[in-house]
Amino acid sequence: LAKTTQPISMDSYEGQEVNITCSHNNIATNDYITWYQQFPSQGPRFIIQGYKTKVTNEVASLFIPADRKSSTLSLPRVSLSDTAVYYCLVGDYSNSGYALNFGKGTSLLVTP
Amino acid sequence: DAGVIQSPRHEVTEMGQEVTLRCKPISGHDYLFWYRQTMMRGLELLIYFNNNVPIDDSGMPEDRFSAKMPNASFSTLKIQPSEPRDSAVYFCATGTSGTVSYEQYFGPGTRLTVT
Repeated sequence: LAKTTQPISMDSYEGQEVNITCSHNNIATNDYITWYQQFPSQGPRFIIQGYKTKVTNEVASLFIPADRKSSTLSLPRVSLSDTAVYYCLVGDYSNSGYALNFGKGTSLLVTP
Repeated sequence: DAGVIQSPRHEVTEMGQEVTLRCKPISGHDYLFWYRQTMMRGLELLIYFNNNVPIDDSGMPEDRFSAKMPNASFSTLKIQPSEPRDSAVYFCATGTSGTVSYEQYFGPGTRLTVT
């Protein structure tokens, strides 16, 4: 599984757009990029997954540059309820059976 | 579907005692994962199964830990004997190879405290 690097913590005010960038310099050709969200006292929850360019769903957008060595999770107009830990994971899930190493993630704090 | 079910939700035990954590996966999911989460180490993968067969147990910290999946509807993670450093939240997650999203569904976790 490719090693990822993401900020330990971030702060934001309500209503702002939050961008969390993850570095994965040794990403392999068949690797996908996946982001999870974890609220306190809950298990992580899948947010979004992508391979290249841009992916958007009802929760977030994922931007992946052409070299795929990094990715950015974008949360539009965050609210207090977006306070959570966000994990970036990279792997060739078809080969590894998508065993995931979450690490410590990025702790996002949204304040009024 | 009720989602992934874990029991107990909280467990407090004394050092040296045996602890058994239980997980009922989402019906139809062929992958099952056990994770441990602590402040120091974050969320770590301990072991995972595919079609009830253990695939990778390299994350299991030591011989005191063991996991079984006797059928598609049930899995256990056992710690014997337990130690204070085993105190953590243990998550079970499941997934299916029948989707392209590689999404894992997590249970609510078991908070284990070993005194």
